[in-house]
Amino acid sequence: QSALTQPASVSGSPGQSVTISCTGTSSDVGSYNLVSWYQQHPGKAPKFVIHEGSQRPSGISDRFSGSTSGTTASLTISGLQSEDEAEYFCCSYAGTSIFFYVFGTGTKVTV
Amino acid sequence: QVQLQESGPGLVKPSETLSLTCNVSGGSISSYYWSWIRQPPGKGLEWIGYIFDSGSPSGRANYNPSLKSRVNMSLDTSKNQFSLKVGSVTVADTAIYYCARQVGGAEYFDPWGQGTLVTVSS
Repeated sequence: QSALTQPASVSGSPGQSVTISCTGTSSDVGSYNLVSWYQQHPGKAPKFVIHEGSQRPSGISDRFSGSTSGTTASLTISGLQSEDEAEYFCCSYAGTSIFFYVFGTGTKVTV
Repeated sequence: QVQLQESGPGLVKPSETLSLTCNVSGGSISSYYWSWIRQPPGKGLEWIGYIFDSGSPSGRANYNPSLKSRVNMSLDTSKNQFSLKVGSVTVADTAIYYCARQVGGAEYFDPWGQGTLVTVSS
């Protein structure tokens, strides 16, 4: 089972928007609307920011938004701030007959 | 609120068994599913498996097929903790190991423990 494909890095200036793609297959992203996104600062544990493709939990800034189209999920960070600089990982449910959960390769966001 | 804390040896010799425990506070271990996830230094995340309280003594687990032959998970409701064992370890098992609560249905992981680095070396 291959990891979901993400760009290695994206960058933007403060106030701009960036979008991170997460490409899977018909067995994971394309079959289930169950993609989650995690933010990880250096030396810290991942922090959950989006679930079910586009649902933002309470306490997470509305500058974070998610969407899914076919086998590709996306995370958009608008109004970039310095504290958004981190590694971001996607994760998709892949069903109980395969690998259950598969993570993305990770994207470094530089502000 | 639920908090998780991993504990266990930071150094394991090749071919031996890696053993970690995750202590859960602020909530009952019987109320959720619980996962182990690892991250080799400088690399991405890998789901290892999950366990839940099925009523049986050690819980019921499902594992990543790529690790299934070497992994065993258990839980102890009396201590509100769950454990991970990975057998026949190699240097490829060197990673930061995280425990996390798994939210079934929506299928996401929150919260996570702080993580513990396990190095496989002779």
